[in-house]
Amino acid sequence: GNSVTQMEGPVTLSEEAFLTINCTYTATGYPSLFWYVQYPGEGLQLLLKATKADDKGSNKGFEATYRKETTSFHLEKGSVQVSDSAVYFCALVDSSYKLIFGSGTRLLVRP
Amino acid sequence: SAVISQKPSRDICQRGTSLTIQCQVDSQVTMMFWYRQQPGQSLTLIATANQGSEATYESGFVIDKFPISRPNLTFSTLTVSNMSPEDSSIYLCSVEEMADGGPSYEQYFGPGTRLTVT
Repeated sequence: GNSVTQMEGPVTLSEEAFLTINCTYTATGYPSLFWYVQYPGEGLQLLLKATKADDKGSNKGFEATYRKETTSFHLEKGSVQVSDSAVYFCALVDSSYKLIFGSGTRLLVRP
Repeated sequence: SAVISQKPSRDICQRGTSLTIQCQVDSQVTMMFWYRQQPGQSLTLIATANQGSEATYESGFVIDKFPISRPNLTFSTLTVSNMSPEDSSIYLCSVEEMADGGPSYEQYFGPGTRLTVT
């Protein structure tokens, strides 16, 4: 079946450091891929998406590229801020419109 | 994107009781979903709320425990019945917005309802 695997957290970085959160997926066909972010005490927000191979989603300085050959959708940001501290979820949507989430990766950015 | 509100935002309930959670959207949407997020965990889809028909439940979730209503295209409720401490979770509703020419596959989430069962 379809699944999403994320790197385990927590990831702890200093402000202005480079961020990578790994995400790989298993799916039939070519699903749309997403990153969601959950700030403390809040619901999920859609951060970015990519709908086909080689697409790059970007938002708020975050980027992720849909890599079909490695079935990956790694999240990157060149310079993190304290306000980026949150839990990040990688997800795919299957043919039934259902979102399948990874386990989430907690990011803690220290000043 | 659609603006989604949920009521209540949090509640503390006694075991054996039931709680109904409301989800209101500021625009008409076709697809509405209910998720559960157990403490420190990812999200699990409970069911798809279908307008005018019974909800479609995922494996492990049943209508008797989680009855869902969807009376129109902007509103849905989820009831957590006969609660036990294991039901302590965050419950979130989401909607999928349509794009020009078809589904967008983008889901937008409400702020969640934090439920604690004692």
